[in-house]
Amino acid sequence: NAGVMQNPRHLVRRRGQEARLRCSPMKGHSHVYWYRQLPEEGLKFMVYLQKENIIDESGMPKERFSAEFPKEGPSILRIQQVVRGDSAAYFCASSPPGQGGETQYFGPGTRLLVL
Amino acid sequence: SQQGEEDPQALSIQEGENATMNCSYKTSINNLQWYRQNSGRGLVHLILIRSNEREKHSGRLRVTLDTSKKSSSLLITASRAADTASYFCATDGGTDKLIFGTGTRLQVFP
Repeated sequence: NAGVMQNPRHLVRRRGQEARLRCSPMKGHSHVYWYRQLPEEGLKFMVYLQKENIIDESGMPKERFSAEFPKEGPSILRIQQVVRGDSAAYFCASSPPGQGGETQYFGPGTRLLVL
Repeated sequence: SQQGEEDPQALSIQEGENATMNCSYKTSINNLQWYRQNSGRGLVHLILIRSNEREKHSGRLRVTLDTSKKSSSLLITASRAADTASYFCATDGGTDKLIFGTGTRLQVFP
């Protein structure tokens, strides 16, 4: 059973470009979470999704950021018009239904660098 | 901010010594978890302790939880160089999202 997969592992963008980060949850997991980690800090919750549904986006910036988890395919975190402050590691986690508060399995992360 | 805090921020010890890290949090919880993160890598789940538990062991790890003080500690006994990493506590805050602490950076010298 493959773990949570994220790609790309590293992404370099220039200011103003778009960044698309992908997350494939573990097999059988229908819940996906995105977290952001700034250098030398802990992870901060961004958004929680189920298939075709955003459950909690309280941690997501109101502008430029969006997330989706379609019926088919990976979850996508999209950052439009990136700025240098978006440089961070973005981690995705997945869980079985109803167990997110206990059992979240993390992917290896995507490290975004904005030049 | 709901984020918890950990102390110390950084800890350096020799192999064989014990390492103790503390975590404080702000909200009521159902459980508290500890994760390890090696430099530039993802998170590895270490141990989960429920709100009705006071102490839990897993190999060389010992976790305590004091819900009255909203605090937890992680003890790594007989540390090894391979234990060098950042350690984070995370609480569920009564919801499905995890709230992470600021982390303790542990350096174990051979």
